[in-house]
Amino acid sequence: ETGVTQSPTHLIKTRGQQVTLRCSSQSGHNTVSWYQQALGQGPQFIFQYYREEENGRGNFPPRFSGLQFPNYSSELNVNALELDDSALYLCASSRLGGGANVLTFGAGSRLTVL
Amino acid sequence: AQSVAQPEDQVNVAEGNPLTVKCTYSVSGNPYLFWYVQYPNRGLQFLLKYITGDNLVKGSYGFEAEFNKSQTSFHLKKPSALVSDSALYFCAVRDMVGSSNTGKLIFGQGTTLQVKP
Repeated sequence: ETGVTQSPTHLIKTRGQQVTLRCSSQSGHNTVSWYQQALGQGPQFIFQYYREEENGRGNFPPRFSGLQFPNYSSELNVNALELDDSALYLCASSRLGGGANVLTFGAGSRLTVL
Repeated sequence: AQSVAQPEDQVNVAEGNPLTVKCTYSVSGNPYLFWYVQYPNRGLQFLLKYITGDNLVKGSYGFEAEFNKSQTSFHLKKPSALVSDSALYFCAVRDMVGSSNTGKLIFGQGTTLQVKP
């Protein structure tokens, strides 16, 4: 089975720009969640998508938005980039159906905002 | 609020010695607890989880964790450390507030494990 793949692996943007990060779920998984991992910190939950709708959101402003597509792949969009948005962005997929589900993470997209 | 704490930023151990990486949690109700490991330039890899049942949970790569309800702890252990175990370890708890079907995990700050030959 294929794992979770993310693209791009690295990118550099300037303040005020917009960025789109992409994620392909593991085969058989129907739920995608996104996490932000700042340097030296644990991952922070951004939001989760199921059936192409957001069904859970962390403490992130509306300029963080996402999409889930019928094939369960996903995008994370961040508008009006700020310096503090520099981080590793992790995508994780799972099968929805209970709190015991294990999340499978991708390798991440490292965003640097200058 | 639900939270997880990893009191040690770094743990150093000699190869062949036992290792322990500490984690304490604060949740309402019964916790769903997880350990993940992160190698450089890699995503998080699942090691093990506690949902219910036996307090000693066995996971991948020879790791195990002991759930202690009275001490609200979920320490990660391995009887004999390998140099290749050197990595960043995260404890996490499932956020059960509002819905049991949300995928949200609350992570600790992480503990760097350094195993020296």
